[in-house]
Amino acid sequence: LAKTTQPISMDSYEGQEVNITCSHNNIATNDYITWYQQFPSQGPRFIIQGYKTKVTNEVASLFIPADRKSSTLSLPRVSLSDTAVYYCPPRMSWGKLIFGQGTELSVKP
Amino acid sequence: EAQVTQNPRYLITVTGKKLTVTCSQNMNHEYMSWYRQDPGLGLRQIYYSMNVEVTDKGDVPEGYKVSRKEKRNFPLILESPSPNQTSLYFCASSLKGSQETQYFGPGTRLLVL
Repeated sequence: LAKTTQPISMDSYEGQEVNITCSHNNIATNDYITWYQQFPSQGPRFIIQGYKTKVTNEVASLFIPADRKSSTLSLPRVSLSDTAVYYCPPRMSWGKLIFGQGTELSVKP
Repeated sequence: EAQVTQNPRYLITVTGKKLTVTCSQNMNHEYMSWYRQDPGLGLRQIYYSMNVEVTDKGDVPEGYKVSRKEKRNFPLILESPSPNQTSLYFCASSLKGSQETQYFGPGTRLLVL
């Protein structure tokens, strides 16, 4: 059964780079690794996905090693508005995403 | 604009009074799903649908019904709401072949008295 593990919380200051790591146990060979962001009382928002190596978009970068047993979400120069919960949910065969507790990122001024 | 919409956004009701929460997506997605989010329990899947007329139970289906008569709509029906269904509900959709990438609605906050 696919399962992910990530830190419960992280603190940072504005302008710093934040790296959140997720371990992926039993990830399926064909599955992409995805990360979501959720603000209080809002729906999770897809922010990035990758399969191997590095992917970058306007929001974040995602680093995935060759063995795909982990992934690291990198947020460059965070601001207060990046305070949110970040998830790396595994996907079950019928499409269910297992969100778990996620990583609560707190960005301070 | 590509989006998932839910209505109502907020609802206060009483035990036993039937209600429907609507969900609609304009992205021609085959897959749709309902989740509920409760403090300390994360997001839990209620029901999902792989396509029109194809629905199945998720982890917490008791007390809920769904239907998928059209591709774009996936309403959640509470026939006889109870206080333990007080929660924040999210609808999500995706392409059948890209279920890792789900688009979520803004949420419906339900209070059952």
